[in-house]
Amino acid sequence: GIQVEQSPPDLILQEGANSTLRCNFSDSVNNLQWFHQNPWGQLINLFYIPSGTKQNGRLSATTVATERYSLLYISSSQTTDSGVYFCAVSNYGGATNKLIFGTGTLLAVQP
Amino acid sequence: NAGVTQTPKFRVLKTGQSMTLLCAQDMNHEYMYWYRQDPGMGLRLIHYSVGEGTTAKGEVPDGYNVSRLKKQNFLLGLESAAPSQTSVYFCASSYVSQGGTEAFFGQGTRLTVV
Repeated sequence: GIQVEQSPPDLILQEGANSTLRCNFSDSVNNLQWFHQNPWGQLINLFYIPSGTKQNGRLSATTVATERYSLLYISSSQTTDSGVYFCAVSNYGGATNKLIFGTGTLLAVQP
Repeated sequence: NAGVTQTPKFRVLKTGQSMTLLCAQDMNHEYMYWYRQDPGMGLRLIHYSVGEGTTAKGEVPDGYNVSRLKKQNFLLGLESAAPSQTSVYFCASSYVSQGGTEAFFGQGTRLTVV
């Protein structure tokens, strides 16, 4: 099945710094999502981005489907950005949307 | 706007006990899913449903059963709980589209089996 690899596994930032998280996947996909799991365990949808570029405030994401990777950019990081960032993909026809998750990037933003 | 709601949020079971986790969505989505998350890992698919009255196995289905009697509800059952089923369980739903669609997740249920 499709493999999803995220890097780096851990990241420590000072408040105000920028960062880039990477997601590599081993096959073509028809769905790619980025999630933020906050310290309370909630999974928050950040982006649905099977291809192209999207921006939402300080966060933006780019997926280059032909090269099988996606990037999540966090600018001017804040302590509330701390948590685990997951990339998840699906490549099933008929949109059953069975997501395959990476193991995540643990981000800690220090004041 | 409730989205996806899971009940209960926390539960402690003794080995061998049974329980049912309830997932309810108010977005009229066709597809629903149950995942489990173990420490240091991403989520893994247990079972899923593509419509009312249908269910199918995911990646880690053993020890679980599911039912989708109503479109808005997806139940996950543990008939005889085992310590290996200690985990955080997430329900998700998505709408139908041939091109792939966005999935939305509930807040999770933290289950401990002792």
